[in-house]
Amino acid sequence: AQRVTQPEKLLSVFKGAPVELKCNYSYSGSPELFWYVQYSRQRLQLLLRHISRESIKGFTADLNKGETSFHLKKPFAQEEDSAMYYCALSVHNTDKLIFGTGTRLQVFP
Amino acid sequence: ETGVTQSPTHLIKTRGQQVTLRCSSQSGHNTVSWYQQALGQGPQFIFQYYREEENGRGNFPPRFSGLQFPNYSSELNVNALELDDSALYLCASSEGQGSGNTIYFGEGSWLTVV
Repeated sequence: AQRVTQPEKLLSVFKGAPVELKCNYSYSGSPELFWYVQYSRQRLQLLLRHISRESIKGFTADLNKGETSFHLKKPFAQEEDSAMYYCALSVHNTDKLIFGTGTRLQVFP
Repeated sequence: ETGVTQSPTHLIKTRGQQVTLRCSSQSGHNTVSWYQQALGQGPQFIFQYYREEENGRGNFPPRFSGLQFPNYSSELNVNALELDDSALYLCASSEGQGSGNTIYFGEGSWLTVV
């Protein structure tokens, strides 16, 4: 079964601390994974995708097929990073997405 | 270039009633997907329309139906509303169907069923 698991509902850190939001997936085939972010009072938007292998707003995510993980990392959290983060899997490399339940990141000053 | 717009933003319906939600896709986008997001959950894929044809459906009963119009705008219809249908309904549009396309989401329609 295709599934995305985000084990943490809430992650709280202080400004400047490292952040890792966990994402594990279950998928038969070659997965394509994404991180979406929703800031307060804003719409859901793409943060990054694994095929791009890019860093956006200081965030990176590496696909680990052995551990079936796609954790989102940032070395130094900023207050403006506070948001809801969703990991998502593309179904058969289409634009139909399976989302995890999301992790709320709170960055305290 | 306008983004994805949805209407209405909020509505309240009674169990058993029917509801229609509307979505205007981003300019140039021919693919529209609908998602249901219950409180505390991630969005769940309902179905997708590509050039006016249904192109994939998630695990939702037939009382969830949709349409896409020649201008690529879309409607989501839900019949015989149940209390569990209370959720945020998100519309998303993209240009084409490949996973390389960026998907743009609307702000959603909050549906409360009482």
